Amino acid sequence: ELKVEQNPLFLSMQEGKNYTIYCNYSTTSDRLYWYRQDPGKSLESLFVLLSNGAVKQEGRLMASLDTKARLSTLHITAAVHDLSATYFCAVDMAAGNTGKLIFGQGTTLQVKP
Amino acid sequence: SQTIHQWPATLVQPVGSPLSLECTVEGTSNPNLYWYRQAAGRGLQLLFYSVGIGQISSEVPQNLSASRPQDRQFILSSKKLLLSDSGFYLCAWSPWNTEAFFGQGTRLTVV
Repeated sequence: ELKVEQNPLFLSMQEGKNYTIYCNYSTTSDRLYWYRQDPGKSLESLFVLLSNGAVKQEGRLMASLDTKARLSTLHITAAVHDLSATYFCAVDMAAGNTGKLIFGQGTTLQVKP
Repeated sequence: SQTIHQWPATLVQPVGSPLSLECTVEGTSNPNLYWYRQAAGRGLQLLFYSVGIGQISSEVPQNLSASRPQDRQFILSSKKLLLSDSGFYLCAWSPWNTEAFFGQGTRLTVV
């Protein structure tokens, strides 16, 4: 069965702290995507990781991909309230990039002042 | 630049009524198009995808159908809605099977 599992599913943290969200997947895809969703809103693309060892950073967020371990991480540095949202990782259903994505359950991040 | 439009934003429909949700993409040609559904508090599930006019693939058995009458138009339909069809429906497009770009979504409540 194709699976994408995120942990934790819920994360409450203080402003200024660091934390990592993990995404494990079972497909043979070599690409992984991170999205952000604000409450009641659509998904916003954050990162596209295209190969093993890929690392991308945008502001306080940094994503990495290890295709051999089938693991991606989303690291949050010095969290601020504006980062409060639900974060999803997603992978293609199969190698060869069909564009059909399987999503993790999402990690809801709550940053407290 | 490319944009994706999805409507309506919110819909409340009685059980047994028909459904039609529409999605259009501007600024690109022959995009791959997708319908996803997000049940309350859960991740997204791919329902349908299309690589061209009239070409629809269904990913899960369900009470819904999809059609692509024009290159940049994707429609999600149902003849008779069920309570379990409630959810947040998102249309997406993708260039060359890369990342998906999502519309604003339709929140459907079946009552």
